[in-house]
Amino acid sequence: AQSVAQPEDQVNVAEGNPLTVKCTYSVSGNPYLFWYVQYPNRGLQFLLKYITGDNLVKGSYGFEAEFNKSQTSFHLKKPSALVSDSALYFCAVRDIWNDYKLSFGAGTTVTVRA
Amino acid sequence: DVKVTQSSRYLVKRTGEKVFLECVQDMDHENMFWYRQDPGLGLRLIYFSYDVKMKEKGDIPEGYSVSREKKERFSLILESASTNQTSMYLCASSTPSLAEAFFGQGTRLTVV
Repeated sequence: AQSVAQPEDQVNVAEGNPLTVKCTYSVSGNPYLFWYVQYPNRGLQFLLKYITGDNLVKGSYGFEAEFNKSQTSFHLKKPSALVSDSALYFCAVRDIWNDYKLSFGAGTTVTVRA
Repeated sequence: DVKVTQSSRYLVKRTGEKVFLECVQDMDHENMFWYRQDPGLGLRLIYFSYDVKMKEKGDIPEGYSVSREKKERFSLILESASTNQTSMYLCASSTPSLAEAFFGQGTRLTVV
């Protein structure tokens, strides 16, 4: 079975500081990994994905994520956070052998204070 | 522009009612999904469909059914709504490839 863990319910940072949102995963085969963001009362918006290739993936709005196979992690990062980055962030995994199912973590609420 | 549209943003229904949640996508995607979102639990997969008239149970199918008569439309049915089905429901679609899933804006259902 595939699963995702986001160990932090909340992350608080000051504007201009680096932002990291943690994610670890478990799959039986090679993973496809995704990050999504959700603003209040909205659906999920895609940020970035890792399929294969470079371990550092760049995405929308200045976000990037690093795939670490040995630690089974896919942490989301932004070098300089903005107040507008305050939202709910979800990590998701799809198993290469189970193409249909996308499994999500519980989500991490990010608050960036001015 | 890619679009997944859910028929209602907010819905209030009574216990025991039959409830239909509709989702339409305009991207010709083969796969469609229904998730429910609850605080602290993330998104949990209810059902998915990989083709017209095909469906598979997700992690929490009890109390729900689905219908996919046309490729672009995927309906979630609550046969007899209960208060524990009060939640945010999210529809998504994707291609059977490496691509990401696209989500609708969500339907917040309250069962009273």
